[in-house]
Amino acid sequence: DAGVIQSPRHEVTEMGQEVTLRCKPISGHDYLFWYRQTMMRGLELLIYFNNNVPIDDSGMPEDRFSAKMPNASFSTLKIQPSEPRDSAVYFCASSLSRGAGNTIYFGEGSWLTVV
Amino acid sequence: SQKIEQNSEALNIQEGKTATLTCNYTNYSPAYLQWYRQDPGRGPVFLLLIRENEKEKRKERLKVTFDTTLKQSLFHITASQPADSATYLCALDGTNAGKSTFGDGTTLTVKP
Repeated sequence: DAGVIQSPRHEVTEMGQEVTLRCKPISGHDYLFWYRQTMMRGLELLIYFNNNVPIDDSGMPEDRFSAKMPNASFSTLKIQPSEPRDSAVYFCASSLSRGAGNTIYFGEGSWLTVV
Repeated sequence: SQKIEQNSEALNIQEGKTATLTCNYTNYSPAYLQWYRQDPGRGPVFLLLIRENEKEKRKERLKVTFDTTLKQSLFHITASQPADSATYLCALDGTNAGKSTFGDGTTLTVKP
């Protein structure tokens, strides 16, 4: 399997612009997570889905952030409008629930810089 | 509030020595604890999982202990190598719901 695939790998955008990050989870995985990583706050869970349904979005910082999972093989994280403080690495991850602990498989991340 | 603390300082050791990383938690009752490795510019990669009823788990040169009384996990790398240099993250999962909370990580540097 190719693993979790994220795009774009790097994005530089101007403040106020809309940013869309994309993710393809590992085939067959029923959980999908969006994390954000910064030096100051570490790795934070933003939102996660189970079987395409959002389960917990309490980590989404504010209304400017939204996430969707229209089908089992695709998810987006959108920031509109973007601000410089949104600059971070955004990781998508997926896992398979088997009742034995959920190993999380991460993508390589989308490096976002908002100027 | 729930809190996870890893070694606050970066860890520097000599090649061949054993590296020991600490993960302490408060106000949490994890069913599982996991350790991940993260290299610069890459996503975290799973290394080991240990359940709350397990005291110790080993995998090659890696060993993890889990003490639910002390609320602590120790992660050991024996016969360390420069290639082991990375940031190591612990993650706690209280349920089977799939939601894990990560520590801030400890950066390990193994010097030749």
